[in-house]
Amino acid sequence: QVQLQESGPGLVRPSETLSLTCTVSGYSIDSAYHWGYIRQPPGKGLEWIGSIYPSGSTYSNPSLRSRVTFSVDTSKNQFSLRLTSMTAADTAVYFCARLYNGYQPRIDHWGQGTLVTVSS
Amino acid sequence: ETVLTQSPDTLSFSPGERATLSCRASQSLDSSYLAWYQQKAGQPPRLLIYGASTRATGIPDRFSGSGSGTDFTLTISRLEPEDFAVYFCQQYGGSPLYTFGQGTKLEIK
Repeated sequence: QVQLQESGPGLVRPSETLSLTCTVSGYSIDSAYHWGYIRQPPGKGLEWIGSIYPSGSTYSNPSLRSRVTFSVDTSKNQFSLRLTSMTAADTAVYFCARLYNGYQPRIDHWGQGTLVTVSS
Repeated sequence: ETVLTQSPDTLSFSPGERATLSCRASQSLDSSYLAWYQQKAGQPPRLLIYGASTRATGIPDRFSGSGSGTDFTLTISRLEPEDFAVYFCQQYGGSPLYTFGQGTKLEIK
């Protein structure tokens, strides 16, 4: 079965860069799916950050586009997010996920999520 | 940007009752691009419905989705104790590529 697991720091200082990695098991990321990140501030709703296709094509939320970078390491079956210039507004649970962008698009597998707090 | 508005913010029902959750889009959607998710406290969202009406793998048939254009509905025919959670609708297409409704909390009366 497909499983995703986020890893990264739980605490980031203001103005610093967040780096998260998602390790996928049970499925090769070098396939016909997109792989991405969604975040959820405590007690609030969901926000799609962006996603990457194994070929390298990326899509990102316009509100974050200038600060976001995605990468894929197919040899490790991992994909990663870098989010620069972090502020308190970026405090959230960050989920990695598998996204199907074909007919009837959907987000069908999610990691458990990792809480990232921005604080000095 | 297509904005999804879910109503109401909170619904209160007893187990065994039928619940109907609403999701309204700010502009007409291709029904293929509408999905529903369930989220319990401390857990990631779980895909319930995609393509407005197709149940995801392993989802019980008491969950059903319907709608077209700007109005979509998630119906839970007979509420089980494990169904009390927060439900999000989500659309695909446009910019940003994915957006979510603000969520409806289904609570036990």
